[in-house]
Amino acid sequence: DTEVTQTPKHLVMGMTNKKSLKCEQHMGHRAMYWYKQKAKKPPELMFVYSYEKLSINESVPSRFSPECPNSSLLNLHLHALQPEDSALYLCASSQETGLGSEQYFGPGTRLTVT
Amino acid sequence: TQLLEQSPQFLSIQEGENLTVYCNSSSVFSSLQWYRQEPGEGPVLLVTVVTGGEVKKLKRLTFQFGDARKDSSLHITAAQPGDTGLYLCAGARGNKLVFGAGTILRVKS
Repeated sequence: DTEVTQTPKHLVMGMTNKKSLKCEQHMGHRAMYWYKQKAKKPPELMFVYSYEKLSINESVPSRFSPECPNSSLLNLHLHALQPEDSALYLCASSQETGLGSEQYFGPGTRLTVT
Repeated sequence: TQLLEQSPQFLSIQEGENLTVYCNSSSVFSSLQWYRQEPGEGPVLLVTVVTGGEVKKLKRLTFQFGDARKDSSLHITAAQPGDTGLYLCAGARGNKLVFGAGTILRVKS
């Protein structure tokens, strides 16, 4: 099973709202990722967790706050977002970080900030 | 400067035609992955190539890794409308995946 699940599928939020995106995998992978993707563009890396510890933050604004409660779950907490943050947010996981690790992506959350 | 140059950016062809997508870099990668992504969905891993000169086949799709492990190609034979999507190559760079800009393929019936 190479499934990564994400909820919700769609999310509309105002600029003053607080919401969370959730990601789950049961493949025993020890690395998990958040990406942001704009239409017809490649995914842009936001955060990397390795063994439940944040290992990479790609200078993401603090209005995005990741959390890894355990090895299967990854959350992305959203607060005071801007309309330009509207995008497809993708979660991915891999066996390990590092060279050659294949990443498996979830279906994404389509976020619209109004 | 894009670390992985992918071409063409956009391809619109008729059903039954063949096509090739290229992914080139001046850097060596230990492996390259190819993904296909449909609108509103996440990228789906098609293949990983690891060895220089390696050729892998997945039904009508043929993937090749250059001898120097700096480039890769994806060839589709007899394209079908179901092949429509965004094709992404990605190379491992440290703890990250470096993506090419993507090729939008549209196959018309």
